[in-house]
Amino acid sequence: EIVLTQSPGTLSLSPGERATLSCRASQTVGTSYLTWYQQKPGQAPRLLIYGASSRATGIPDRFSGSGSGTDFTLTISRLEPEDFAVYYCQQYGSSPTFGQGTRLEIK
Amino acid sequence: EVQVVESGGGLIQPGGSLRLSCAASGFTVSSSYMSWVRQAPGKGLEWVSVIYSGGTTYYADSVKGRFTISRDNSKNTVYLQMNSLRAEDTAVYYCAREQRENGYFDNWGQGTLVTVSS
Repeated sequence: EIVLTQSPGTLSLSPGERATLSCRASQTVGTSYLTWYQQKPGQAPRLLIYGASSRATGIPDRFSGSGSGTDFTLTISRLEPEDFAVYYCQQYGSSPTFGQGTRLEIK
Repeated sequence: EVQVVESGGGLIQPGGSLRLSCAASGFTVSSSYMSWVRQAPGKGLEWVSVIYSGGTTYYADSVKGRFTISRDNSKNTVYLQMNSLRAEDTAVYYCAREQRENGYFDNWGQGTLVTVSS
């Protein structure tokens, strides 16, 4: 099973700042198979980025994904108030696994 | 509009059984990969099970032998039969459509809460 480790656990930033979230895999993940989700309290996860760098439909271009192999990054260029949430990465290998999440909170 | 709606959650005693339903609209489950993903209170996401369009099923080790995923094409609905429930199965259970090419979940339901407690 591929283990995904996200860092930091919590990120405290202000609106307008840039956020950089990391996802590290215990084994190589095919670029096509790395996904990012956003989850707000009481809501289902929302698809943000698939294939490591492709934005899902309706996702603002301030969200971008990058990386390959075992190291992947989600970047939010200028934080909006609605971006403060928990973010999960997910890989699709022999079975899907998720990272433990990064909580993005308002500083 | 593509939508999935879960139902069937509730409070159940340890060792009991429960069946969750996931009613889909805007697409056909028989042509899709459909998964269940759960989230324990205050915790992260855990994939539980998938049923492929061809009918093949897979399970996480934590539920293998206790849970069964199935579908009723006439009702466009996917089910998760959960037997021998344990306290650690307590979670919100989400139904999600999985994109076969990249293995991501593009449509999620609102979830249904299963609480296993005496």
